[in-house]
Amino acid sequence: DAGVIQSPRHEVTEMGQEVTLRCKPISGHDYLFWYRQTMMRGLELLIYFNNNVPIDDSGMPEDRFSAKMPNASFSTLKIQPSEPRDSAVYFCASSLRQGAETQYFGPGTRLLVL
Amino acid sequence: KNQVEQSPQSLIILEGKNCTLQCNYTVSPFSNLRWYKQDTGRGPVSLTIMTFSENTKSNGRYTATLDADTKQSSLHITASQLSDSASYICVVRGSGNTPLVFGKGTRLSVIA
Repeated sequence: DAGVIQSPRHEVTEMGQEVTLRCKPISGHDYLFWYRQTMMRGLELLIYFNNNVPIDDSGMPEDRFSAKMPNASFSTLKIQPSEPRDSAVYFCASSLRQGAETQYFGPGTRLLVL
Repeated sequence: KNQVEQSPQSLIILEGKNCTLQCNYTVSPFSNLRWYKQDTGRGPVSLTIMTFSENTKSNGRYTATLDADTKQSSLHITASQLSDSASYICVVRGSGNTPLVFGKGTRLSVIA
């Protein structure tokens, strides 16, 4: 298996533009997680899905952020409009189960909003 | 408030030496604790996961301990190698609706 796949790996955009981050989880994993990582705040869980259904989106910072999972092999995290403070590394992770199961992280998307 | 505090923030050690990283948490009720290793420019990789009943768990040269009574965990690295240079993140899961709580990590640098 190729592991969790994220695209793009890097994104530079201007404030106000829409940004879409993409994730392909490991095949057969029922859970998908979106995280954000910054130097100041460390890793933060934004939202997670179980069987394509959003379960907890309490970590989503604002209405500018939205996430979808139209099928078991694809998820998107959209920021619209983007702001400089959204600059961070965004990770997608997947796992078989939520509890004590290991989460497998993708390589991340490094986002810079100018 | 559910929190995870890691210490030290950063650490520099010589290759071949041992080191211990600390994680203190206030998450309650507790479900499990994970240690992740994150190389620069990459996503975190799980090293160990421990539940309430587990005191020690090893993964090669990495040994994690858990004291659920004092709410403390440690990650001990034996005979460090240059490739151990990374950030080590402690993550605690609470039971029920308690969210996943992340530490800010310890940045370890192993030098020759």
